[in-house]
Amino acid sequence: NAGVTQTPKFRILKIGQSMTLQCTQDMNHNYMYWYRQDPGMGLKLIYYSVGAGITDKGEVPNGYNVSRSTTEDFPLRLELAAPSQTSVYFCASSYPSRQRQDTEAFFGQGTRLTVV
Amino acid sequence: KQEVTQIPAALSVPEGENLVLNCSFTDSAIYNLQWFRQDPGKGLTSLLLIQSSQREQTSGRLNASLDKSSGRSTLYIAASQPGDSATYLCAPDKLIFGTGTRLQVFP
Repeated sequence: NAGVTQTPKFRILKIGQSMTLQCTQDMNHNYMYWYRQDPGMGLKLIYYSVGAGITDKGEVPNGYNVSRSTTEDFPLRLELAAPSQTSVYFCASSYPSRQRQDTEAFFGQGTRLTVV
Repeated sequence: KQEVTQIPAALSVPEGENLVLNCSFTDSAIYNLQWFRQDPGKGLTSLLLIQSSQREQTSGRLNASLDKSSGRSTLYIAASQPGDSATYLCAPDKLIFGTGTRLQVFP
């Protein structure tokens, strides 16, 4: 299994540009998450999804959009990039369930985004 | 709303010490709790997963306990080594994180 795959690994954007960070998981997890982590800081939840077609805001959703058309994919869209969005972005997936034993959460390796 | 607190925020110890890292959470209606490690500039690596029906889980020198009713989990690290230096994070099943414990083990 590949686990959680994020692309790209690195990206430089100019102010006002848009881009989509891709996240794919092959573990049939229902929950997927997007976080950002600023230097020396903790993880802040941007958006999460509890299943295909369902998304919800986390702590810091402004400036971002998500969609979840399939179980596997959870892309994060940045519209009108700003320097404040310079950060490392992590995608994760899990399957919180009393029935399933393989409920471990997995993280992608991150996307390092710089907005200049 | 789930909130997670980790104590201490930072810890600097000499090699060989046994360590205790604490995690508390406000909503005890969880299926599991997971401990992660993050090295500087890297992603998160899963260390241990404790199901809500379990009281503890062990992996090598690591032992994690869970007291769901009181909203607490503890990570014990035995005979610490410099390679254990990292930030340790706990997260209940909906992956809400606190700020973690930054551990430095010096030779």
